[in-house]
Amino acid sequence: DAGVTQSPTHLIKTRGQQVTLRCSPISGHKSVSWYQQVLGQGPQFIFQYYEKEERGRGNFPDRFSARQFPNYSSELNVNALLLGDSALYLCASSVVRSGFTYEQYFGPGTRLTVT
Amino acid sequence: AQKVTQAQTEISVVEKEDVTLDCVYETRDTTYYLFWYKQPPSGELVFLIRRNSFDEQNEISGRYSWNFQKSTSSFNFTITASQVVDSAVYFCALSESTGANSKLTFGKGITLSVRP
Repeated sequence: DAGVTQSPTHLIKTRGQQVTLRCSPISGHKSVSWYQQVLGQGPQFIFQYYEKEERGRGNFPDRFSARQFPNYSSELNVNALLLGDSALYLCASSVVRSGFTYEQYFGPGTRLTVT
Repeated sequence: AQKVTQAQTEISVVEKEDVTLDCVYETRDTTYYLFWYKQPPSGELVFLIRRNSFDEQNEISGRYSWNFQKSTSSFNFTITASQVVDSAVYFCALSESTGANSKLTFGKGITLSVRP
């Protein structure tokens, strides 16, 4: 079975621009989460979506938004990019059964560089 | 608030040595979940183990073993007879939620280098 896929792999943007990152979960996984990993740090939680609804939001500004589509794929949007948004953006998918979220499986990430 | 501390930042060992990666966590919840992930140079986080707070049994999987001690809030990871392929960054993570919201809080990671 295919794992979590993310696109694009790498992206270079200029300050002030907007970016959209995409994620396709493992087949059968209905929950998608987004994390930001700055170089040398652990991943930081941004959003979780389950059944197309936002179920959790981390401590990120409103410039960050996301959505989940009927096929459970997801997009993360970041507006008005800042240099500090340069990071590896990781998507994870998981199974939810009886209200419990099982372990999250991560994709390869999108490396965003803001210049 | 939940917190994960990985005090070791970098560890270097020679192949076939045993190595233990430490993880200390803080949480107010009585039900929580602990995880270890491996991040090789390719960048993708690889799931290794999930442990429930109500299950303190240690676990062994091949060369990997995990020691969970609620009394000291620790969840340590030991690699026996390390190999070069074990070189990676290892993250310990904590999730307090049992519901559909399952935010993971990660430590800063430990960079393990295994030399031939």
